[in-house]
Amino acid sequence: NAGVTQTPKFQVLKTGQSMTLQCAQDMNHEYMSWYRQDPGMGLRLIHYSVGAGITDQGEVPNGYNVSRSTTEDFPLRLLSAAPSQTSVYFCATLEGGNTGELFFGEGSRLTVL
Amino acid sequence: EDQVTQSPEALRLQEGESSSLNCSYTVSGLRGLFWYRQDPGKGPEFLFTLYSAGEEKEKERLKATLTKKESFLHITAPKPEDSATYLCAVQAVRAGGSYIPTFGRGTSLIVHP
Repeated sequence: NAGVTQTPKFQVLKTGQSMTLQCAQDMNHEYMSWYRQDPGMGLRLIHYSVGAGITDQGEVPNGYNVSRSTTEDFPLRLLSAAPSQTSVYFCATLEGGNTGELFFGEGSRLTVL
Repeated sequence: EDQVTQSPEALRLQEGESSSLNCSYTVSGLRGLFWYRQDPGKGPEFLFTLYSAGEEKEKERLKATLTKKESFLHITAPKPEDSATYLCAVQAVRAGGSYIPTFGRGTSLIVHP
């Protein structure tokens, strides 16, 4: 099992460009989420999904878009990148039920110039 | 609003010098408290889940404990390979069964040989 796979690992964008960060999981977890991690700020939730066709906003959703058409995939779209979106992005899944153990991908480092 | 505060922000230890990391939390009803380890350039990796005050979990040189207001991660006789950032997260009991945990900002631990 690959677990949670994120692509790309590194990306440089110019202000105003758009891109999609991909997240795929092979654990059949219903819950998937996107976090951003910035120095001194910890992990902040961007968007999450509790199942195919269901998404909701987290703490810092502005400038990001998500969709969940399958259980396996949860892409994060940046519609018009801004320097404030320079960060490391993590996708995480949860098995479901009552426990909150998250399974994280390796991260995607995004730089917006 | 759930809050998680970790201290210290950074900790430097000599190999073999035992110490503790603190995670204090405010949550309306605790479903679970989680500890994660994060190595540079990697995603967080799950260590422990604690559910109720008085509970303890151990793994090699690490022991996590829980009270009604805080959790400690005790590191006994640390080795350089224990160097990492340790993250604490809490999951609250919410109507509708929300799975979303709230993370602290982490403690960066460096163990010198």
